[in-house]
Amino acid sequence: AQSVAQPEDQVNVAEGNPLTVKCTYSVSGNPYLFWYVQYPNRGLQFLLKYITGDNLVKGSYGFEAEFNKSQTSFHLKKPSALVSDSALYFCAVRDSAGKSTFGDGTTLTVKP
Amino acid sequence: NAGVTQTPKFRVLKTGQSMTLLCAQDMNHEYMYWYRQDPGMGLRLIHYSVGEGTTAKGEVPDGYNVSRLKKQNFLLGLESAAPSQTSVYFCASNGQGSGEQYFGPGTRLTVT
Repeated sequence: AQSVAQPEDQVNVAEGNPLTVKCTYSVSGNPYLFWYVQYPNRGLQFLLKYITGDNLVKGSYGFEAEFNKSQTSFHLKKPSALVSDSALYFCAVRDSAGKSTFGDGTTLTVKP
Repeated sequence: NAGVTQTPKFRVLKTGQSMTLLCAQDMNHEYMYWYRQDPGMGLRLIHYSVGEGTTAKGEVPDGYNVSRLKKQNFLLGLESAAPSQTSVYFCASNGQGSGEQYFGPGTRLTVT
């Protein structure tokens, strides 16, 4: 069975500092990997995805993620955090049959 | 282009009552999903569909049924609601197996 782990419930960073939100996964076959962001009382919004190709993926709002096959990781990064980046972040994996699994989410707080 | 819409937005049920949640998408997407979101547990997949007339069980299907009679609609039914089904329900869709999901705004359901 596929699974996603987000080992940190909460990540706190100062504005202007780099941020990393961690994600590891387990899936049979080649993974489709995604990051989503959720603001309070809203649905999830897509940030970026890895399907194939370059291991460094760039997405919306200056976010990027690095796919590491050997470590089965897909960590979300941003070089300089903004207060407005504060939200709940979800990593997700999908298998070739279309079944999606999400992590439990990581709350990112960026302090001024 | 409305994207993914969900009705109703809020609902309160008594234990044992039934209801149907409607999800509609106008993007001609093949894949549709129903998730529930509970505090600290991320999103859990209830059922999903890879095309009109098809459905499949997700991680937590018990107590729910679904139908995908039309490509644009995905219905989630609760035949006999239980307090454990109190949650926020999200519908999502994507166009291809590798595509990012588009989420609806959610339905907040309380079962008393």
